[in-house]
Amino acid sequence: AQRVTQPEKLLSVFKGAPVELKCNYSYSGSPELFWYVQYSRQRLQLLLRHISRESIKGFTADLNKGETSFHLKKPFAQEEDSAMYYCALSRASGGSNYKLTFGKGTLLTVNP
Amino acid sequence: DGGITQSPKYLFRKEGQNVTLSCEQNLNHDAMYWYRQDPGQGLRLIYYSQIVNDFQKGDIAEGYSVSREKKESFPLTVTSAQKNPTAFYLCASRKDRGGSGELFFGEGSRLTVL
Repeated sequence: AQRVTQPEKLLSVFKGAPVELKCNYSYSGSPELFWYVQYSRQRLQLLLRHISRESIKGFTADLNKGETSFHLKKPFAQEEDSAMYYCALSRASGGSNYKLTFGKGTLLTVNP
Repeated sequence: DGGITQSPKYLFRKEGQNVTLSCEQNLNHDAMYWYRQDPGQGLRLIYYSQIVNDFQKGDIAEGYSVSREKKESFPLTVTSAQKNPTAFYLCASRKDRGGSGELFFGEGSRLTVL
């Protein structure tokens, strides 16, 4: 079974402060990890995925297989980062029975 | 405007009635998904379909039914057997073969059962 845990329902930081949204997973095979974001009144969209190893909107996330974690980080939070963030997991290879399992989400609020 | 279209955006129904939510995509994606989003619960998978005329149950399929007669369409029926149908429903699609694995989401349908 695949499971994603986001321990914080709510996270509040001030503008310019570092932010880290935690994500832990359990999966017996080789996982592929994603972060999705949902801004107010917008549809859910992909923020980044671990295999691309890129920084999107200043966010980065490193897959730590030893700790089974995929925390999302940004050194200086901006007010426009306020949104609901979901960590998600799937099996590394596509093919049949591809399922994306989501965590319960963390609502990030960046205060001015 | 290409993408995934869900309708209706808002729907009210009386208890005991079946309701069908529409999901259409013009992305030529092979796979389509239905998720339910509840506060504090995240997204939970209801049904998914990898190809036309085939679909699989997700984690919370009880009380729901789907069909996949056309590649671009994946309607979800919320039946009277669903004990707690009031929720926000999200449809998504994925290119599958050769794709990046990214899911593309619709804007959602909010169902309220009175």
